[in-house]
Amino acid sequence: EVQLVQSGAEVKKPGESLRISCKGSGYSFTSYWISWVRQMPGKGLEWMGRIDPSDSYTNYSPSFQGHVTISADKSISTAYLQWSSLKASDTAMYYCARRGAALDYWGQGTLVTVSS
Amino acid sequence: DIQLTQSPSFLSASVGDRVTITCRASQGISSYLAWYQQKPGKAPKLLIYAASTLQSGVPSRFSGSGSGTEFTLTISSLQPEDFATYYCQQLNSYPRFGGGTKVEIK
Repeated sequence: EVQLVQSGAEVKKPGESLRISCKGSGYSFTSYWISWVRQMPGKGLEWMGRIDPSDSYTNYSPSFQGHVTISADKSISTAYLQWSSLKASDTAMYYCARRGAALDYWGQGTLVTVSS
Repeated sequence: DIQLTQSPSFLSASVGDRVTITCRASQGISSYLAWYQQKPGKAPKLLIYAASTLQSGVPSRFSGSGSGTEFTLTISSLQPEDFATYYCQQLNSYPRFGGGTKVEIK
């Protein structure tokens, strides 16, 4: 069974750094890109970027380029989304998803709350 | 940068109704379009990809059509479990989502 399991909810202060994770199982992790999607409270879905786990090639939405970093460790079938300096506006639910023909499998989401 | 415009953004319908949601792309995207359903507090679920191909396990009352710049998602007979928010997504270089359509009970 294909699964993407994300790390747990986080509460951080502005200016802090954070890395959240997405572990794939039940399929060949290096055969499918992983995308990250943001959903701010009460808002729609925003595609942030993606990574090819086979070689860690990344592709970012212009809206998120330079604000986040996507990485992966294929040895443990895990993709990451990280921030070096969080802002209150980063408060959102973050989803990882596998790109098959489309985003066919999704993680359960990681809620990130940034508040002083 | 390709923009997607969904309409309507909100619709109120009854069980058994036929519902159609439209997604318009700012430039042609061939058939590189997917549709997702999201229920409150849950991750989105893929319904349709390549504009008209039903994802495995999705009920046949869902269908998609279109190519180029105009696409539709149709629910032939709305069921209680279909009340949710629906998003389109173009699958080209930057896979942007549409703004969403919330389907509520009339």
